[in-house]
Amino acid sequence: AQSVTQLDSQVPVFEEAPVELRCNYSSSVSVYLFWYVQYPNQGLQLLLKYLSGSTLVKGINGFEAEFNKSQTSFHLRKPSVHISDTAEYFCAVSDGDDYKLSFGAGTTVTVRA
Amino acid sequence: DARVTQTPRHKVTEMGQEVTMRCQPILGHNTVFWYRQTMMQGLELLAYFRNRAPLDDSGMPKDRFSAEMPDATLATLKIQPSEPRDSAVYFCASGAGTVSYEQYFGPGTRLTVT
Repeated sequence: AQSVTQLDSQVPVFEEAPVELRCNYSSSVSVYLFWYVQYPNQGLQLLLKYLSGSTLVKGINGFEAEFNKSQTSFHLRKPSVHISDTAEYFCAVSDGDDYKLSFGAGTTVTVRA
Repeated sequence: DARVTQTPRHKVTEMGQEVTMRCQPILGHNTVFWYRQTMMQGLELLAYFRNRAPLDDSGMPKDRFSAEMPDATLATLKIQPSEPRDSAVYFCASGAGTVSYEQYFGPGTRLTVT
């Protein structure tokens, strides 16, 4: 089974500053990669996904992520954050053998004015 | 706008009582997942189904938890008897079972066992 490491548990950031959330996964075999966001008291919502093709993936709310196979990474970025981006962000991976996703522990992003 | 629905949204119960949580997956989705989220353990997969058949329930304490899909529009997660350590948010997610593997999450059931 895949394992996912999110290298930062908490990321404080000022409004309009850029943010990067780091994610590494365990295997270099073909994988499908996802970033989910969880706003307070809500379920998880899909931000973006990588299945194949271009390694730079654009998602909702101005987020993008880059798949790096050699480094087994899938880091999430946003060039300018808003207060409303305050949330927990989860990286997830599937190796395609079954329908399960392996989730990272999550990164809490707190945006300050 | 198709969504996964879960009921109840909040449940407070006493230790030893039975708890049943319900999930309605998105119409047409054939995979259903149950997760538990706590501060200490994060997001844990409890069980999942494909075409109503259980594929994996290894994450679930078998002695007190049970998960079923009586039909394609309803999934249930039951705890009997409940214990304080079961206090958590329980999420249901559904997926189309296609190559994209993405899952759509419900709003969760916040369970408190006193």
